[in-house]
Amino acid sequence: EVQLVESGGGLVQPGGSLRLSCAASGFTFSSYSMNWVRQAPGKGLEWVSYISSSGYTIYYADSVKGRFTISRDNAKNSLYLQMNSLRDEDTAVYYCARTGSEFDYWGQGTLVTVSS
Amino acid sequence: DIVMTQTPLSSPVTLGQPASISCRSSQSLVHSDGNTYLSWLQQRPGQPPRLLIYKISNRFSGVPDRFSGSGAGTDFTLKISRVEAEDVGVYYCMQATQFPFTFGPGTKVDIK
Repeated sequence: EVQLVESGGGLVQPGGSLRLSCAASGFTFSSYSMNWVRQAPGKGLEWVSYISSSGYTIYYADSVKGRFTISRDNAKNSLYLQMNSLRDEDTAVYYCARTGSEFDYWGQGTLVTVSS
Repeated sequence: DIVMTQTPLSSPVTLGQPASISCRSSQSLVHSDGNTYLSWLQQRPGQPPRLLIYKISNRFSGVPDRFSGSGAGTDFTLKISRVEAEDVGVYYCMQATQFPFTFGPGTKVDIK
């Protein structure tokens, strides 16, 4: 069974940093590209970042470019999102999603709250 | 960036009756590889999104056959043949043809 479990969310002050993790199981992690998608409270879905299966190809949404860094450790079956210079508008539930037949599996999400 | 729009944004439906959601993209979603990466996702209250349909019309594993997708180019439709209580939630179309990937605003489906 494919499982994606996010962790690392919490309360952080504006300008602070946080590192999210996504632990994958039930499939060959190194064969799939991965994404982070976020959802602000009561709002729709916003794609944040993509990383290829090898980690060599990476894309970011303009809203996070220069502040967020996506990475993966295929040996540990894990995906990461390093978030720096956090802003109020980064408050959201962050989901990791596998890119198989498009975004075919999603984690339960981890809540990031940016507030003073 | 490709802008995704959906109509209606809210759809009260009667149990057992059909429902239809339209999605339009600001440019063609046909990829250079010939595929059209248009998906439909369902998000039930308090749950993460769930893939229903990929590449316009392909039902994902475990998705009931009352869900169907159609369309081409820039115009797409999700149809539910007979709405059941478990179908309540928000439905999103999304494109993965071109970065940045983008989602529609969502259509809220609830029971009359």
